[in-house]
Amino acid sequence: KQEVTQIPAALSVPEGENLVLNCSFTDSAIYNLQWFRQDPGKGLTSLLLIQSSQREQTSGRLNASLDKSSGRSTLYIAASQPGDSATYLCAVRDYGQNFVFGPGTRLSVLP
Amino acid sequence: NAGVTQTPKFQVLKTGQSMTLQCAQDMNHNSMYWYRQDPGMGLRLIYYSASEGTTDKGEVPNGYNVSRLNKREFSLRLESAAPSQTSVYFCASSGGNRAGVRNTEAFFGQGTRLTVV
Repeated sequence: KQEVTQIPAALSVPEGENLVLNCSFTDSAIYNLQWFRQDPGKGLTSLLLIQSSQREQTSGRLNASLDKSSGRSTLYIAASQPGDSATYLCAVRDYGQNFVFGPGTRLSVLP
Repeated sequence: NAGVTQTPKFQVLKTGQSMTLQCAQDMNHNSMYWYRQDPGMGLRLIYYSASEGTTDKGEVPNGYNVSRLNKREFSLRLESAAPSQTSVYFCASSGGNRAGVRNTEAFFGQGTRLTVV
C-alpha cells in the first residue's frame, strides 16, 4: 500500500527566505505527483504536476523535483512571502487512477 | 470558469438523517473523486469514478453511496448519518491516465463542511 509522508510537519520562516518542503512515498510505481496548497477553511489549489517521466517542474517562484527511484519529491519556494502561508500537500497518483495524499506541511512566513 | 463546484458548502445533520452532496465539473474530465478530510488523518478517498457509469470504493467507503449521474456530476449520499461522518468533504476531478490523455492534473472543489449531531 502506498504511503506518503511529508517533512517537516510545520515550518516558520521570516519573509524572503528560500525554503524546501519534502515529500516521500514508498512505492515508486507512480503515474504522477502533484503539489497543492490549502488555505485555512478552503479547498485545495493545484500548484505543480510532475509526470513520472519528468524530473522537475517550475511555476514562478516554485520549483518541484521528482526522484522516482528514491521515492522523493521536493518543493522549493524562492523568496518566500507572507502570502505563501498555507498548508502544502503532495499527492501521488498510481496507475489505478487513485491519489494518495501526504499529511501536509503547515508553512508560516512571518513579515 | 467554474472548475469543480460542490453544494452545499455547510450542513448540519441529526444522527440518522440522510443527505446528498452534489458535485459538478465543467472540464470534461473522465475521473471524479470524493475525499474526506479529518484532523490528523489527512485526505482519505471514499469513492471514485474512472468514467461515466463506473464507480469504485476507496479507502473509507462504509456508510456512503455514490452516483455518477453523467460525465459532469458525481454525488455522494449519506443514508443514515453518524457523528463519525462529521468531516470536510471534497470532490475532485481529473482527466484520467489513459494513454493519449494529456491532462491528468486533479482539481478540487471548495469543500462541504458537514457536522452530524
